[in-house]
Amino acid sequence: GESVGLHLPTLSVQEGDNSIINCAYSNSASDYFIWYKQESGKGPQFIIDIRSNMDKRQGQRVTVLLNKTVKHLSLQIAATQPGDSAVYFCAENTSPVDNAGNMLTFGGGTRLMVKP
Amino acid sequence: KAGVTQTPRYLIKTRGQQVTLSCSPISGHRSVSWYQQTPGQGLQFLFEYFSETQRNKGNFPGRFSGRQFSNSRSEMNVSTLELGDSALYLCASSPDGSGTEAFFGQGTRLTVV
Repeated sequence: GESVGLHLPTLSVQEGDNSIINCAYSNSASDYFIWYKQESGKGPQFIIDIRSNMDKRQGQRVTVLLNKTVKHLSLQIAATQPGDSAVYFCAENTSPVDNAGNMLTFGGGTRLMVKP
Repeated sequence: KAGVTQTPRYLIKTRGQQVTLSCSPISGHRSVSWYQQTPGQGLQFLFEYFSETQRNKGNFPGRFSGRQFSNSRSEMNVSTLELGDSALYLCASSPDGSGTEAFFGQGTRLTVV
């Protein structure tokens, strides 16, 4: 994902609705992806991850979908709650294949606002 | 298990000074990565350390450096500070180096005046 700068896209949803946050990633060779949630004044919080050999992975109230053909990642949050309000980032591991390292490239982020 | 601990939480420095930030990873984690977060550039990778060796490096000038100790604790140093170095510096800890979960600390907010 490329950093898009200062103005974050915003998704506004009603409490109880489902949310879908999308992300386009940059490197077709990336094999590992993570979604993070960041609240004001805090570090990013790990939500869910997925490897490139999977198309879908589910957690508690969250689902990540991976479409490698179009290099697209999405995060679905079921029954969105006010506590879900935050900025959400996707990240891909762009470490060179031969060193098996951790080198995350982040998308620009999406601000989720949940209306009570 | 304690999470990732970064110290200090806040710092104010003057242009031209140098600064050292510290990160203690989750117990048992051997990979520590550093990131810079700014409103303009978002989250950008600085470098990764694993078993006291720098394994990956981002596109930052040589003024940014780091190291890792035998207990996996890591420090990063920024010399000759510039106003543009003002940012939230985040440390992430991972169990090993194979593209595994990376858990972040709260960050150190550096302000250069």
